[in-house]
Formats: sequence, structure tokens, C-alpha cells
Amino acid sequence: NAGVTQTPKFQVLKTGQSMTLQCAQDMNHNSMYWYRQDPGMGLRLIYYSASEGTTDKGEVPNGYNVSRLNKREFSLRLESAAPSQTSVYFCASNHNNYGYTFGSGTRLTVV
Amino acid sequence: KQEVTQIPAALSVPEGENLVLNCSFTDSAIYNLQWFRQDPGKGLTSLLLIQSSQREQTSGRLNASLDKSSGRSTLYIAASQPGDSATYLCAVTDNYGQNFVFGPGTRLSVLP
Repeated sequence: NAGVTQTPKFQVLKTGQSMTLQCAQDMNHNSMYWYRQDPGMGLRLIYYSASEGTTDKGEVPNGYNVSRLNKREFSLRLESAAPSQTSVYFCASNHNNYGYTFGSGTRLTVV
Repeated sequence: KQEVTQIPAALSVPEGENLVLNCSFTDSAIYNLQWFRQDPGKGLTSLLLIQSSQREQTSGRLNASLDKSSGRSTLYIAASQPGDSATYLCAVTDNYGQNFVFGPGTRLSVLP
């Protein structure tokens, strides 16, 4: 089925470890996004990419880096994980502002 | 800075009732508004998208309205069913359309 695919679905990291969350969409969308969702905080934008080759910071970019590898793929990297980065991470894509399509999420725990 | 609020935070109704969920936003210069549904432990599923030039959108038992000048949207669910139980979120984009700002959601429980 067409859509946004995120991997992994679950991950446990130790403080200081690094990892990359992968996201791919097969809808030929121009824009891609990374959000985190925390209880009581709602969904907050980490980074976004309006088109291939461009990335911009969102509301909460500290501690993260992103790469828009090609039009399909947008990865999120945690260089040195901290307990404050325990969250559920969602990738989304959008084409010409006709609404968002979300992936199913990655549940990350940092101990 | 755009802020989105949703009232009520939680709602419990018996099956078959019609209900209204509310969404308010502080900056009326929006590009579009989207309603989502989120089931526990799952991702977000898009329900309805309203462009800023539109007043409402309908899909099955769902109807969403938009009053941009007053900064409000409502999601009307007709003849509610237990399967409608979920958290409903609204989100608005600014005029550049590049960043959705989400509300905190309304947690709906429909009792059999």
C-alpha cells in the first residue's frame, strides 16, 4: 500500500548511544517532516524538508540532525541520545499542501 | 505564534449520539486545516482537509466546518459508534503551508 513507512517501530537506547530513524514515502511528495509526540505536549515539529536537498529546523531541533537522501527518504539522527528524547517519533509527507500523510511511528526509549 | 486549542479535552457519550468537537486557532492567516484521528499506540489517520477558501468538508458521518475569521473549526460526528473511540486532533498550516501546528486533541469514548 502507498504511504509513509518508518523503521524501526520500537527502539531502546542507552544514554549517549546514536541511532538513525528511517522514513520513506512512495507518493512522490515534495515535503517531508519529523514530529515527536509527548504526553501533555502534543505533536511538535523537529525538522522538515520542503523539497529534495533542503532541510529546515522546526520547533524542537536540538539534539537531532536530518538528511533528505532523495525525494523518497528523510532520516532523523540522534547523535548522543538523552532520556529527554524518549518519545514517539512520527514522519509525515505532504504534496502541494494537500494535507499530511503520517507514518505509524517509532517508539523510542532512552535509558 | 500560532496556537491551537481543542475543547473538550475528553468526551464520553453513549452510542448513537451526535457530537461536536471544537478546535480554535489564534492566527486566522491559515492555508488549510486538517482533522486527524489517532488510535492508542498508532499513527495519525487523516479524516478531512479544509482549504482556507472552503467552509466545510464531509466524509460519511463526519462533517468539518471552518470559520477562518473567528479562528474556529468544528468536527461533527453523526450517530456515533464504539469504533469512533479515539483521539481527534486538528492542525492548521500557515500561509506558507509548510508547518502544521497541532492541537492537543480530544479523547473520545463512545460507550456501547
